[in-house]
Amino acid sequence: GAGVSQSPSNKVTEKGKDVELRCDPISGHTALYWYRQSLGQGLEFLIYFQGNSAPDKSGLPSDRFSAERTGGSVSTLTIQRTQQEDSAVYLCASSQRGDTQYFGPGTRLTVL
Amino acid sequence: GESVGLHLPTLSVQEGDNSIINCAYSNSASDYFIWYKQESGKGPQFIIDIRSNMDKRQGQRVTVLLNKTVKHLSLQIAATQPGDSAVYFCAENIVGNFNKFYFGSGTKLNVKP
Repeated sequence: GAGVSQSPSNKVTEKGKDVELRCDPISGHTALYWYRQSLGQGLEFLIYFQGNSAPDKSGLPSDRFSAERTGGSVSTLTIQRTQQEDSAVYLCASSQRGDTQYFGPGTRLTVL
Repeated sequence: GESVGLHLPTLSVQEGDNSIINCAYSNSASDYFIWYKQESGKGPQFIIDIRSNMDKRQGQRVTVLLNKTVKHLSLQIAATQPGDSAVYFCAENIVGNFNKFYFGSGTKLNVKP
């Protein structure tokens, strides 16, 4: 079946603009994660959704970052007033039972 | 917080040789471990996992070893191929703590033809 998909694959934006990143998880997966990966660094946890429960937002670095998940499926990560330090690869993952996570290809965000 | 680290940031091996990638974890309560492979420009790809009630688990050309005494995890790749060149991450988790996965920074594996 189809894996996790993300769009866009690349996004170049100007400092101060807002961006939206989209994640389509594997069908039937109830858990969805967003991570950030900077060059040569490990994955930084951002936010976690599980079913209809309140999301765990403890990893969001500032109030410029927000995410939602509509209908328990598609998720959107929004970064407002982007800064150069937001430049990174944003990875989405989904899992069926909250254990093994399957990752999408990521969105490479470049803030000029 | 927990830390997951890798002993060797870069590993170069000859095609056909076996590769061993190591990982140390700090949380003795972690009981679920995963290895991922990440090729350039792609997202991490699940390779193999292991729970703490096992010391060894084998997949296709890969074996994961878990030593809970010294909190050490390793990934062995048999007969390494050029297509194995990638960055390999380990991750640790406590089963049931679905939002608490900790990832290492990765080891880059270079396979020389």
